[in-house]
Parts: sequence; C-alpha cells; structure tokens
Amino acid sequence: SYELTQPPSVSVSPGQTATITCSNDALPRRYAYWYQQKSDQAPVLVIYEDYKRPSGIPTRFSASSSGAVATLTITGAQVEDEADYYCFSTDGSGLRGVFGGGTQLIVL
Amino acid sequence: QERLVQSETEVKGPGASLDLSCKASGYTFLDYWIHWVRQAPGHGLEWIGISQPGVDKTIIAEKFQARVSMTTDTSTATAHMQLRNLRPDDTATYFCTRHAIGGNWLFDLWGRGTLVTVSS
Repeated sequence: SYELTQPPSVSVSPGQTATITCSNDALPRRYAYWYQQKSDQAPVLVIYEDYKRPSGIPTRFSASSSGAVATLTITGAQVEDEADYYCFSTDGSGLRGVFGGGTQLIVL
Repeated sequence: QERLVQSETEVKGPGASLDLSCKASGYTFLDYWIHWVRQAPGHGLEWIGISQPGVDKTIIAEKFQARVSMTTDTSTATAHMQLRNLRPDDTATYFCTRHAIGGNWLFDLWGRGTLVTVSS
C-alpha cells in the first residue's frame, strides 16, 4: 500500500529551526501538502502544492520537495507552533489520498 | 462565512450502521469535492474517500470500500457518509473537508468533526 513516512517526533527550543520530512518514492510526481493539527482541533492547511503558503500562515513556515522527500521547515519555531504535523499526497493513481503518520513537534 | 457543519457525537453498538452528515454553507456546494477523514484516539489522520456533489461520483480507499457509501444532497448542501457493520476500532473523530473541483487537493476548510464511539 502507498505510505508517506514521517518521523514520529521532532523537538526544538524556541527560536530554533524545526525540520519535518515526508518521504515516498512517488513524491516527485505528486504534490505534497502539510497540515497542522493542535490538540482537539481540526487540521489547518499550512503548505500546499509543495511550497505554497496560504494567506494567514506565518512566513516562518516554508517547505520544499526534492526527489522522494518533502520537507516542512519552521524557521524560528514558537511555542504556539507545538502541534502534530501531517503531510498529505495522492497515491500513484492520483485518485486516492494518503496522510503521513504525523510528526509531533515539541517546542520547549 | 464558509462553513462545514457536523454533528458533535454519535454512539453506536457493534454491527450497527452510521450515517454522518456534513452541511456546507457560505459557498457554492457544487464547486467542491467533499472528502471524509477520520482520526482514531491518539492516532493519525486517515483518508476515507471523496464524493462529488450533484453527481455522487465517489472514490473510496480500498480499506473502506466494502463498508462505506458516500452521498450528497444538493437541496440541503449536505454530504453524507454511511459506515456499515461498525466495529470498536471504528471509534474515531470523523472530519469532512473539501477541495475545489478542477483544483489540486488542498483542504482549505474543515468541519469540526463528529466523535463516533462504537461500544457495546
């Protein structure tokens, strides 16, 4: 089955740069999306189509995709960025969606 | 204001069927696909499937194909997802979300989720 692989957790101190990866061999042919989910809330889109940032998302959130790896970067992470982050893409057929397993970002 | 409104909670017994609703408002219902996503307690997001309002074209993840149906009611701008033969491991929060028809799969609006508990 099609899977997107993320690290279970990433830990940084406030002001440091957090990097979260998402990997699958099909990513060169598919867009990656990133969602932030805080406790007991619905997910929020923070990056779409590999690197684009929706309006209202702080500029410290950026992303890229190279080869089989998509990367979300939070430059100068804040305490309020502590959340679970999920990558999302479509499978090889492009018809079905898949979420990565999620990465818990700890900022302390 | 664009919204997707879902009921808060459902409690069902094993073997029962579930009908979840997702009511859209503030935008043109026919312009967006509706996706369903679930999240078991303490676990990650899981994509269930997608339906196109008005034509009820659906694509469902292989894992759910035997038990899930998706429909839409354009008269009330409401999407429905039916899950049959419920099991305790179907206990989860079920979200609806959308992406623009003809666009890429960016989910820019989410419902708050329905917490479904399956227990005897």
